[in-house]
Amino acid sequence: ELKVEQNPLFLSMQEGKNYTIYCNYSTTSDRLYWYRQDPGKSLESLFVLLSNGAVKQEGRLMASLDTKARLSTLHITAAVHDLSATYFCAVDPFRSGGGADGLTFGKGTHLIIQP
Amino acid sequence: DVKVTQSSRYLVKRTGEKVFLECVQDMDHENMFWYRQDPGLGLRLIYFSYDVKMKEKGDIPEGYSVSREKKERFSLILESASTNQTSMYLCASSTGTGTTNYGYTFGSGTRLTVV
Repeated sequence: ELKVEQNPLFLSMQEGKNYTIYCNYSTTSDRLYWYRQDPGKSLESLFVLLSNGAVKQEGRLMASLDTKARLSTLHITAAVHDLSATYFCAVDPFRSGGGADGLTFGKGTHLIIQP
Repeated sequence: DVKVTQSSRYLVKRTGEKVFLECVQDMDHENMFWYRQDPGLGLRLIYFSYDVKMKEKGDIPEGYSVSREKKERFSLILESASTNQTSMYLCASSTGTGTTNYGYTFGSGTRLTVV
């Protein structure tokens, strides 16, 4: 059974600080996704990481993937209040023979950035 | 842009009712998914489908069924609603199979309350 563990699950930080959210998973996969969710809203895609060593950046967010360590990180640089949200990582297990198994999600990191 | 539309934003149903949650996507995606989201548990996969009339159980299929008669529409059915099925339900779609499958798009969600 695929397990996806995020930590921390809750993070309160001040504007201007840097921090990293970690996502560990338990099976071989080279496809990992990061999503953002605002209260009462659906999931917004942030990053799709498709290979070992992949690094993507958008604004103050940067995501990376190490498939050998089965670890992805979401790094926040110089946080601003608008980044307050819940962040989810999700793994797409590759099933031989094709088909889509659906994403397995971590429990989410509830991020609060205080002015 | 890919659109995944869920027919209801909020629903209130009585225990024992048969409930239909509808999802329609407009980008000819092969794969469609139903998740439920609960606080502290993240998103969990209920059922998915990778073709018309095909369905596969996810991690928590008990108490649910699905129907996919047309490629663009995927319905989640609660045969006899119970209070423990009160949750946010999210539909998603994606295209491709195996290593070419990437990029999931989520609907805006249906918040179901069973009383």
